Amino acid sequence: GESVGLHLPTLSVQEGDNSIINCAYSNSASDYFIWYKQESGKGPQFIIDIRSNMDKRQGQRVTVLLNKTVKHLSLQIAATQPGDSAVYFCAETLGNTDKLIFGTGTRLQVFP
Amino acid sequence: NAGVTQTPKFQVLKTGQSMTLQCAQDMNHNSMYWYRQDPGMGLRLIYYSASEGTTDKGEVPNGYNVSRLNKREFSLRLESAAPSQTSVYFCASSASTGISGYTFGSGTRLTVV
Repeated sequence: GESVGLHLPTLSVQEGDNSIINCAYSNSASDYFIWYKQESGKGPQFIIDIRSNMDKRQGQRVTVLLNKTVKHLSLQIAATQPGDSAVYFCAETLGNTDKLIFGTGTRLQVFP
Repeated sequence: NAGVTQTPKFQVLKTGQSMTLQCAQDMNHNSMYWYRQDPGMGLRLIYYSASEGTTDKGEVPNGYNVSRLNKREFSLRLESAAPSQTSVYFCASSASTGISGYTFGSGTRLTVV
C-alpha cells in the first residue's frame, strides 16, 4: 500500500551547521506534502508545505525540496540551533482528501 | 489562546474500562481528526470528520468510536480498553480540504494496564 517513510531515524548535527532530513514517498498521486516538527511531550507543529506542482519552497531558515521523479522530499534547516532538536515528520495528502499519511519520523539532535 | 484543546492530558485505565477523550477547537475548522502515536512510530489515523455530522474510519479504527458533537468538538471513545490501546492520542483540525496543514492538540497519554 501507499506509504511515506524516512531514510534516517536519527540525525546529529553541530550547532550552526545545516541539517538535511530526507523522506521517501511511494504514491505518485500525492499532491501536497507537509513537514511537521514534534518536540518532546507536544503535538506536531506545522513547519512548511509544498504542492506537487512545485519543486522548492523556502521559509524562514527552512527549505523544502520535492523531487517527483524519484519520489523524494527533503527538509533543509539552515544554521541549526539547539531549539531545532525534535522529531521531524513528513506527511502527504492524496487528491482532494484531508487525510494525511505520516512517515515514521527522524530525530534531529543538535550538539554544541 | 486559539487552538486545539484535548482533555485529559494523562489517563490510566484498567483493561475493560471505558472512557472518552475530549477534543475542542476554536478556529472554526471544518475537519477534525484523531490519531494515535506509538513509540518510535509516526501518527496513524483512527477516525476523522470532514464536517459536522460526518465521521469516517481511518487506518486503525477498531476498538474506537467517535462523535462529532458540533463543529467545535470531536470526541473519541474507548468502549472496552485493551493494553494494545496504550498510546499517545492526538486530536487535530484543519480548515478545508487538502490545502492546509493540521493544527494539533498537545496529546493525551493513555496507559491501559
